[in-house]
Amino acid sequence: SQQGEEDPQALSIQEGENATMNCSYKTSINNLQWYRQNSGRGLVHLILIRSNEREKHSGRLRVTLDTSKKSSSLLITASRAADTASYFCATDGGSNYKLTFGKGTLLTVNP
Amino acid sequence: GAVVSQHPSWVICKSGTSVKIECRSLDFQATTMFWYRQFPKQSLMLMATSNEGSKATYEQGVEKDKFLINHASLTLSTLTVTSAHPEDSSFYICSARPTGGLATNEKLFFGSGTQLSVL
Repeated sequence: SQQGEEDPQALSIQEGENATMNCSYKTSINNLQWYRQNSGRGLVHLILIRSNEREKHSGRLRVTLDTSKKSSSLLITASRAADTASYFCATDGGSNYKLTFGKGTLLTVNP
Repeated sequence: GAVVSQHPSWVICKSGTSVKIECRSLDFQATTMFWYRQFPKQSLMLMATSNEGSKATYEQGVEKDKFLINHASLTLSTLTVTSAHPEDSSFYICSARPTGGLATNEKLFFGSGTQLSVL
């Protein structure tokens, strides 16, 4: 079954605004990770939050995790046109570090 | 940061031919590499887990004879699409998990992907 369902599927904002993307999953996890993908490229790791953590920051990124609701959110503050990309959450259930990816959110930041 | 080189970045081939895609970890060793397939505007679908020195583990529904995986060293895994057909056209991405302590090997490092077009 599909783990990691992001919403919204697409998000369009103006430069300087904040962007929030959500991710829900179904089974227990060791950690949840967020990745970014520019069109036609590979994925870049953004941030990892472990199951015993509730919030984590990295630069303009803020990630929250609610294991009781099996959900996570990624907040990008003060967005820039260069943030335009697809963002995926991925869950690590602990089996050989095999990640299961969600469907992704396509973020467009308009200059 | 760790770099994974995937080659080629794009390939066009005729139906019935085989195509080999390479995935190299340039500055770290990777006991485990993963191969994914991605359709346009879709998520990554894990095809197989490649383990150095042993047979790959394929996900359900992925034909192992169709998608041959070889992980001959700690820095190189290859995916060969045999007797390719138009339905095999897709974006293929590899990732590598660094061999090391917990703090270093939880996240994956991805290649830049290979766009395969089978005519």
